Amino acid sequence: GAGVSQSPRYKVAKRGQDVALRCDPISGHVSLFWYQQALGQGPEFLTYFQNEAQLDKSGLPSDRFFAERPEGSVSTLKIQRTQQEDSAVYLCASSLRLAGNEKLFFGSGTQLSVL
Amino acid sequence: GIQVEQSPPDLILQEGANSTLRCNFSDSVNNLQWFHQNPWGQLINLFYIPSGTKQNGRLSATTVATERYSLLYISSSQTTDSGVYFCAVISYNTDKLIFGTGTRLQVFP
Repeated sequence: GAGVSQSPRYKVAKRGQDVALRCDPISGHVSLFWYQQALGQGPEFLTYFQNEAQLDKSGLPSDRFFAERPEGSVSTLKIQRTQQEDSAVYLCASSLRLAGNEKLFFGSGTQLSVL
Repeated sequence: GIQVEQSPPDLILQEGANSTLRCNFSDSVNNLQWFHQNPWGQLINLFYIPSGTKQNGRLSATTVATERYSLLYISSSQTTDSGVYFCAVISYNTDKLIFGTGTRLQVFP
């Protein structure tokens, strides 16, 4: 596609509900990243994939957060038993090759509100 | 881990003014990017600039890697330049892009 696409754009969940956020990276991009951005803050790294391999998940805040990219393209970030502190914008980014020497392109994000 | 500090944290300008935003980082990097986050939350990649100088219209950026800082210049600012500007870096031996603290810019007519 022309850019990184994320869905849904907005998600309202009741506390304790499970949610799944989708990211479609730019076609052919090898690297995919998930970030969490709280209100008024900069994006914070969550996890990184190179093709289908999850190479770094050090930023996932708890074991309620899980990400996958089974075929090396579309990725899903799943949050189980959502809590109010999970409310944030979740951003996905992709780069053509390894991120170390590449520009990253971001999607518009999914704004999650947990009530 | 690497620390990325930006200054000033807030900047208010009248249309037509020039400004300089600064990004300091605490370790050597092999990737540095400047982003503009517009009021609707979209992050736009402005520059990929691990070293040297680049220009794109009214915007230019310079990174002095040996002294661990980068500067973003905005000339003849417009109201559409409003938003938050982030510097983000990747240090050696990692692929994790770390964002700075951001500079919030407001441009008034």
